[in-house]
Amino acid sequence: DVKVTQSSRYLVKRTGEKVFLECVQDMDHENMFWYRQDPGLGLRLIYFSYDVKMKEKGDIPEGYSVSREKKERFSLILESASTNQTSMYLCASSWTRDGQPQHFGDGTRLSIL
Amino acid sequence: QKEVEQNSGPLSVPEGAIASLNCTYSDRGSQSFFWYRQYSGKSPELIMSIYSNGDKEDGRFTAQLNKASQYVSLLIRDSQPSDSATYLCAGYNNAGNMLTFGGGTRLMVKP
Repeated sequence: DVKVTQSSRYLVKRTGEKVFLECVQDMDHENMFWYRQDPGLGLRLIYFSYDVKMKEKGDIPEGYSVSREKKERFSLILESASTNQTSMYLCASSWTRDGQPQHFGDGTRLSIL
Repeated sequence: QKEVEQNSGPLSVPEGAIASLNCTYSDRGSQSFFWYRQYSGKSPELIMSIYSNGDKEDGRFTAQLNKASQYVSLLIRDSQPSDSATYLCAGYNNAGNMLTFGGGTRLMVKP
């Protein structure tokens, strides 16, 4: 079974802090993704990566950055956290081959106070 | 216009009935489709994949794909209260490199 592990299930941070969300997958997947999910807005893609050291902006990259130094690890960084970044953050991974599904981690519920 | 559309619901069915969830998509060249189940406060879980026209059955779940009409559906037979969740439909674009999710349909199965 695919295992995508997110470092924290719940996280509380303060406005202005730099926040790191970590994601690790154990299936040697090339592709990794970060989403946020808010009530009524569905899944929104923040950033994705097709390979080590590669990154692509998704639909809502503002206020975020990412790092992929190793194939299995994809980190999401909130440079200066703001209250409107309070959300559920979901990491996913998939094979590069066309048409492969994404597999999600358990999610991190982040609250910015 | 969203590329993958779902009715947000809630869809309410009695226990033991068939629940029918529908999804339409705009990219005629889309090839691969998936259904995810998401319980409240949890992450999406892949439950079905379908790649060709027709039906695909897995236990109580049947996925249906009609490329001519550009819709995908999920049937859940003998619905149970434990099936109560939000179901997300997702499909790849024509190039096969970007997966788009619908907004999800909330299903409620009443005992």
